[in-house]
Amino acid sequence: DGGITQSPKYLFRKEGQNVTLSCEQNLNHDAMYWYRQDPGQGLRLIYYSQIVNDFQKGDIAEGYSVSREKKESFPLTVTSAQKNPTAFYLCASSIGYNYNEQFFGPGTRLTVL
Amino acid sequence: QKEVEQNSGPLSVPEGAIASLNCTYSDRGSQSFFWYRQYSGKSPELIMFIYSNGDKEDGRFTAQLNKASQYVSLLIRDSQPSDSATYLCAVLNSGYALNFGKGTSLLVTP
Repeated sequence: DGGITQSPKYLFRKEGQNVTLSCEQNLNHDAMYWYRQDPGQGLRLIYYSQIVNDFQKGDIAEGYSVSREKKESFPLTVTSAQKNPTAFYLCASSIGYNYNEQFFGPGTRLTVL
Repeated sequence: QKEVEQNSGPLSVPEGAIASLNCTYSDRGSQSFFWYRQYSGKSPELIMFIYSNGDKEDGRFTAQLNKASQYVSLLIRDSQPSDSATYLCAVLNSGYALNFGKGTSLLVTP
C-alpha cells in the first residue's frame, strides 16, 4: 500500500526535552511538509522540503528542526526552545514543487507534561 | 498576511439536503484551491481541488471558484450523516505550501 506513515501516534514530552516525530512516504513524492494544528485552528506550516538535502522554514519554524537525508523520510524535531509544543502534528507530501495536491499522514498528537 | 476565511459553523443540514460551504481569500494572485475533509481526531483528506473559474463536479461534490470575487465554495448534494466533519479550505499562495482556513463544521442530521 502506498501512503504516508507517521509515528508515534501519541507522544508525551517532559519540559526541556527534545523529541523527534517520524514521517515516511512510499509515494515517490519529491516534496514533503510539516504542519501544526491547534484546537479550532487551521493548519500552520512549520517546514517544507522540495528535494532531498534541501528544506525551508515555514511560518512557525522557531523551536523546530528538520532533516531530509532520504527522499522517503522527513523527520521533525521539537526542541526545548518551542514554548508551546502541545498540538497535532501533520506531515504531508506532494509529487513535486509544482504539483499542489498534498496528501496527509495520520498525524502525531504531542502533549507536554 | 494572506488570509483564508471560513465560517466556523456549525452548519446543520438535514439528510438528503444540499450543504453549501464557503471560503474567501485575500491574495488575488492565488491560483489553486483545495477542499479537505477532516473527521474529529483524524488527519485532513483531500476531496476536491479547482484551478479555473467555474464549477468542477466529482460525484456528490461540486467546487465553485470565482476569482473576481475571491470566493470558492463546496456543495455537497444528497448530504449523508457520514459527511459530518470539518471542511478545510486551502489556498496555494506562493507556490510552495498551502494556506488553510480554520474550517467549517458540518453536521448532517438524520
